[in-house]
Amino acid sequence: EAQVTQNPRYLITVTGKKLTVTCSQNMNHEYMSWYRQDPGLGLRQIYYSMNVEATDKGDVPEGYKVSRKEKRNFPLILESPSPNQTSLYFCASSYWGYQPQHFGDGTRLSIL
Amino acid sequence: AQKITQTQPGMFVQEKEAVTLDCTYDTSDQSYGLFWYKQPSSGEMIFLIYQGSYDEQNATEGRYSLNFQKARKSANLVISASQLGDSAMYFCAMRAYYGNNRLAFGKGNQVVVIP
Repeated sequence: EAQVTQNPRYLITVTGKKLTVTCSQNMNHEYMSWYRQDPGLGLRQIYYSMNVEATDKGDVPEGYKVSRKEKRNFPLILESPSPNQTSLYFCASSYWGYQPQHFGDGTRLSIL
Repeated sequence: AQKITQTQPGMFVQEKEAVTLDCTYDTSDQSYGLFWYKQPSSGEMIFLIYQGSYDEQNATEGRYSLNFQKARKSANLVISASQLGDSAMYFCAMRAYYGNNRLAFGKGNQVVVIP
C-alpha cells in the first residue's frame, strides 16, 4: 500500500530535550516536505527536499533541522525544542511538478 | 509568491444537499496545480481533487468537482449529495511548477453536515 508513515503520532516532551520525528514513504517520490499546522495560521512549510542530499528552507525553518540521506526517509529534528514548537506536524511526499502531495497521518507534538 | 484565500465562515449543510466551497488564488506563475484536501476531526490530510492550470475541462472525482475559472483565479469545490462523513475542514492549495514547488494552503473552510 502506498503510504507516508510518520512516527510518533503523539509526543509530549520537555523544553530542550532533542527529538526526531521520522518520515518514510514507499512511493519512490523525489519531493518530500514538512509542514506544521497551527490554529489561525494554517499549514506552513518548514523544510523541503527535492531529492537525496538536496534540502532547503521553507517558510518557518527556525528551530528545525532535516536530512535526506535516502530517498524514502526525511526525518525532522528539533535539537532544542521550545513551547512555541507545539503543533501538529505533517510530512508529505510527491513527484516533482503538479502532482498532489501525499500526507502522513500527522504528529501531535507538545513541548512543555 | 502564491496566496490562497478561503473566506467563507463555517457552514452547515443538510445531508444530501450540494455545497460549494470558495477558493481564490493569486499568483504570477503560468504553470500550476490546484488541489483540495479534506481534514476530518481525526486530523489526517486527505487529497480530494486536482486541477492543472492548462486543463480546459473542470476536474471531477466522484462526488467532488472543481469549478475552475482561470481568468477569475478561482477554484471552487463542489460536493454533491453531502454525507455525514463529509463533515470536516476543507483546504484549497496551490502548487507552482517552478521555484520550490511547495504546496501553499488557504486557511480552510469548516463544513458540518446535519441529518
